[in-house]
Amino acid sequence: GAVVSQHPSRVICKSGTSVKIECRSLDFQATTMFWYRQFPKQSLMLMATSNEGSKATYEQGVEKDKFLINHASLTLSTLTVTSAHPEDSSFYICSAADRAQETQYFGPGTRLLVL
Amino acid sequence: GDSVTQMEGPVTLSEEAFLTINCTYTATGYPSLFWYVQYPGEGLQLLLKATKADDKGSNKGFEATYRKETTSFHLEKGSVQVSDSAVYFCALDTLLGGATNKLIFGTGTLLAVQP
Repeated sequence: GAVVSQHPSRVICKSGTSVKIECRSLDFQATTMFWYRQFPKQSLMLMATSNEGSKATYEQGVEKDKFLINHASLTLSTLTVTSAHPEDSSFYICSAADRAQETQYFGPGTRLLVL
Repeated sequence: GDSVTQMEGPVTLSEEAFLTINCTYTATGYPSLFWYVQYPGEGLQLLLKATKADDKGSNKGFEATYRKETTSFHLEKGSVQVSDSAVYFCALDTLLGGATNKLIFGTGTLLAVQP
């Protein structure tokens, strides 16, 4: 199946710093990518929908100024957690929509720990 | 609004036992239905899907049938293996015929298969 990568897989940062997470579709073009957040033993919570060349659409309750999303190309979307705090520690997962296959493919996730 | 309800886990089975994980949904349109699997420390992988009523999705010995009359998409496997131990997520997408918009996930069901 299609492959979606995320980088980094794990990151530890100090409180107040910013962290950028990359999501790439490796063998297909994705006009739409999604960013999810998953808390331990819980389901995925959609944070935002990222469309190539336009502004992201954020879900209710997600701070767009804190979670900056950029989708500059058909194979890359980035999520930047600005001024991270310990409560931002979580597992962040992206997915990319392959319209030809009518399927979403998920990245392996990025575990963020803010100290 | 649209929603997905899964049976709570954990589900603990012995190897070669029969597996059923229940999933029901509420949707105003004609959703596509999915099962995703998440192995420990990894992102989600699409296990199977069905895009219309009475369709049966199948993969790796797992099956699920789209039942519109009961609004269900129960996951089954005739003989589980230890390697099937993972968290299973039921999900829906309300766009007709595709999975290129946001998915609504159930809370996930942890399956633990013992040798």
